[in-house]
Amino acid sequence: QQQVKQSPQSLIVQKGGIPIINCAYENTAFDYFPWYQQFPGKGPALLIAIRPDVSEKKEGRFTISFNKSAKQFSLHIMDSQPGDSATYFCAASSPNSGYALNFGKGTSLLVTP
Amino acid sequence: DAGVTQSPTHLIKTRGQQVTLRCSPISGHKSVSWYQQVLGQGPQFIFQYYEKEERGRGNFPDRFSARQFPNYSSELNVNALLLGDSALYLCASRSGGGGETQYFGPGTRLLVL
Repeated sequence: QQQVKQSPQSLIVQKGGIPIINCAYENTAFDYFPWYQQFPGKGPALLIAIRPDVSEKKEGRFTISFNKSAKQFSLHIMDSQPGDSATYFCAASSPNSGYALNFGKGTSLLVTP
Repeated sequence: DAGVTQSPTHLIKTRGQQVTLRCSPISGHKSVSWYQQVLGQGPQFIFQYYEKEERGRGNFPDRFSARQFPNYSSELNVNALLLGDSALYLCASRSGGGGETQYFGPGTRLLVL
């Protein structure tokens, strides 16, 4: 059972565009929501993370928006660049399970020049 | 500082064989988790170890086992390999205690023929 649902599966934007990736969850015990970026043949790299007591968090060109009542969160990439082309995963975890990560299925992003 | 290291990087086995994968966490981190990532999917949680004790187990058969050593490094063992075990096996390091952030290694690519 997929505990975190992620959409879209793939996304193509032009350089400078703002791709948006959405995730939804059901387990209200989740209290930590990271996003990871993965390039082919590499391990996932932590991009940015948020806790549910905050509605928005920015780090550089990456922004997470969090809607606790809707149990949804999203990643926005400002001024996207071809080097941002990668697969992005949202995840959720709770202290009840030692912060074991529950991942979405991933979004393959292509930023065209 | 060195990040999470894993060995070997690639491995080819045949059905029925056994395999051992190794992981060294970030210096000072006491928790190690293992994830399986099948091509085109998000990582799936297998095990978590903290202070040499198993603290969590995902939905994987008993053919999968792991252990953590006094220096906090870890091994993942898979017996009686099946074709479906072909995947990228990821190790993630966490400081432990209340720290929730997990940092991933580059993974071991296992191919079962």
